[in-house]
Amino acid sequence: DIQMTQSPSTLSASVGDRVTITCRASQSISRWLAWYQQKPGKAPKLLIYKASSLESGVPSRFSGSGSGTEFTLTISSLQPDDFATYYCQQYNSYFPTFGQGTKVEIK
Amino acid sequence: QLQLQESGPGLVKPSETLSLTCTVSGGSISSGGYYWGWIRQPPGKGLEWIGNIYYSGSTYSNPSLKSRVTISVDTSKNQFSLNLTSVTAADTAVFYCARFSSGTGDFDYWGQGTLVTVSS
Repeated sequence: DIQMTQSPSTLSASVGDRVTITCRASQSISRWLAWYQQKPGKAPKLLIYKASSLESGVPSRFSGSGSGTEFTLTISSLQPDDFATYYCQQYNSYFPTFGQGTKVEIK
Repeated sequence: QLQLQESGPGLVKPSETLSLTCTVSGGSISSGGYYWGWIRQPPGKGLEWIGNIYYSGSTYSNPSLKSRVTISVDTSKNQFSLNLTSVTAADTAVFYCARFSSGTGDFDYWGQGTLVTVSS
């Protein structure tokens, strides 16, 4: 199975900061990469699919990039509603796997 | 708007079978191009994919759980279900059902989740 490694595990930032989260795959997954946001007690919410496509209704301050084994999620200007945990997820060979998560905290 | 809702017991005894059902509303489970999946999240931990099913009944599941997992679909009720056998405390988790888009490789609609505790 393909392992997904996110960094950092925790990130402290302030409102207005530019934030970048990295996700690395243990082997090439082309662009089969999605990003989710999860708030406490809630289900994950899809933000980005196919590495860089913005899900409908998601603010444009969220963007994704990358291909192969290295991917990034960027929040251009962190808003109060963005403090949450973010997960990447790959899809390859009928076996989706998730990264371990990155918690974005208030600095 | 598509909605998914998990239902089932919140408490299961060790060695017994965990059974959950996901009811889909606002759309048909028989829509082509989509699988229907189960994902779990132990308290305070990350997400683990359990398995997916197509409306035709075709399934695939996480190899680490495959021997204990059965996923089935009832298109007449617009529902799909999960059975996880021989549970232990390590299976305590919030269980989510979700729609999986095979064209884009992501879970785009999720249920709210249901906590299942394994304890005697």
